[in-house]
Amino acid sequence: DTAVSQTPKYLVTQMGNDKSIKCEQNLGHDTMYWYKQDSKKFLKIMFSYNNKELIINETVPNRFSPKSPDKAHLNLHINSLELGDSAVYFCASSQEWQLDNSPLHFGNGTRLTVT
Amino acid sequence: SQKIEQNSEALNIQEGKTATLTCNYTNYSPAYLQWYRQDPGRGPVFLLLIRENEKEKRKERLKVTFDTTLKQSLFHITASQPADSATYLCALPSGGYNKLIFGAGTRLAVHP
Repeated sequence: DTAVSQTPKYLVTQMGNDKSIKCEQNLGHDTMYWYKQDSKKFLKIMFSYNNKELIINETVPNRFSPKSPDKAHLNLHINSLELGDSAVYFCASSQEWQLDNSPLHFGNGTRLTVT
Repeated sequence: SQKIEQNSEALNIQEGKTATLTCNYTNYSPAYLQWYRQDPGRGPVFLLLIRENEKEKRKERLKVTFDTTLKQSLFHITASQPADSATYLCALPSGGYNKLIFGAGTRLAVHP
């Protein structure tokens, strides 16, 4: 059973479109995240939710809007897609919001290509 | 702000040898540091966590050290195998216990 699953795995779309990426975790974790991995392979945190409440919101354009309908799901909606949004987006979860004793469990990523 | 430096060049070693990867950070010493493994097309997988008051942590063939004086963590894989070939990422908290920042990773290639 996949612990953290994201859909779709690949997403190719044109500039200006709106798209969503879905994430679900079956680990019973309280905290979920979205990370972006750019072409230089740096993983950068975008958002973090704990018990459906937003606790981290990095300097991300407001075209990106996370939604957490319940603790097991964290979706990412992106409006007016731009070329620079092309990257791999990873969903992750952790048992607790403090990571000193609770590592991150990542999904396998969604490769977004904006043309 | 905190920055992480990992050797961007790939590390090529012979099977059976010990691989040593370096993670340097620039500012304050973090309360803990984590290491992850990432295979192509997959998400990172957690390997080990070491706290600032721990000098060394081991798990099977893996060993991590943490030197707050040098602002450095070393990640060792002993008796390396081709299956150990992957990119290894160092991560530490920045701006709170919940916010992990990652290095760009070092790619390890173990040759038979």
